[in-house]
Amino acid sequence: DIQMTQSPSSLSASVGDRVTITCRASQSISSSLNWYQQKPGKAPKVLIYAASSLQSGVPSRFSGSGSGTDFTLTISSLQPEDFATYYCQQCNSFPLTFGGGTKVEIK
Amino acid sequence: EVRLVESGGGLVKPGGSLRLSCAASGVTFSNAWMSWVRQAPGEGLEWVGRIKSKNDGGTTEYAAPVKGRFTISRDDSKNTLYLQMNSLKTEDTAVYYCATYSGTYCFFGQWGQGTLVTVSS
Repeated sequence: DIQMTQSPSSLSASVGDRVTITCRASQSISSSLNWYQQKPGKAPKVLIYAASSLQSGVPSRFSGSGSGTDFTLTISSLQPEDFATYYCQQCNSFPLTFGGGTKVEIK
Repeated sequence: EVRLVESGGGLVKPGGSLRLSCAASGVTFSNAWMSWVRQAPGEGLEWVGRIKSKNDGGTTEYAAPVKGRFTISRDDSKNTLYLQMNSLKTEDTAVYYCATYSGTYCFFGQWGQGTLVTVSS
């Protein structure tokens, strides 16, 4: 199975900050990497698919990059509604696997 | 607007069975690949399984912890996805989400609100 490791597991940031979350795969997954945002008590929502493609309706302050084993989700200017938990997910091979999550909290 | 509504969750004893349903609207369900994803209380996301559309073969894939115990099926005439869960274990306790699965880009696009399954004696 492909293991997905996210870092950090949590971070504190202020509104307006640039935030970067990383995700590392245990083997190469090409660009088969997606990012989700989940708020407490709610279902996840896809932000980025295929490593760098912005899902329709998602604000342009979210961006993704990377290929192979190392990936990054960047929020260019953190907004109040962005405080949430973020997950990466690989779809290169079964079983589909998620990273452990990164909780973004208010500083 | 795509809407997915799960139902069927509840409290069940270890070794018991439960069937979850996911009613879909706003999407051409017969063409949709679908998945189940679960989340144990306070934990991260775990993929459970996926079913292709019948046009694409209708085949299923499962995560190792549920393979042989859980079965995903679909009734396109009712726009409904199912998850039959047998031989339930305490570690199956989770919120279960159904989601559409993009066959092209392999991401979970639309999600239901989830239904809680609690396995406890």
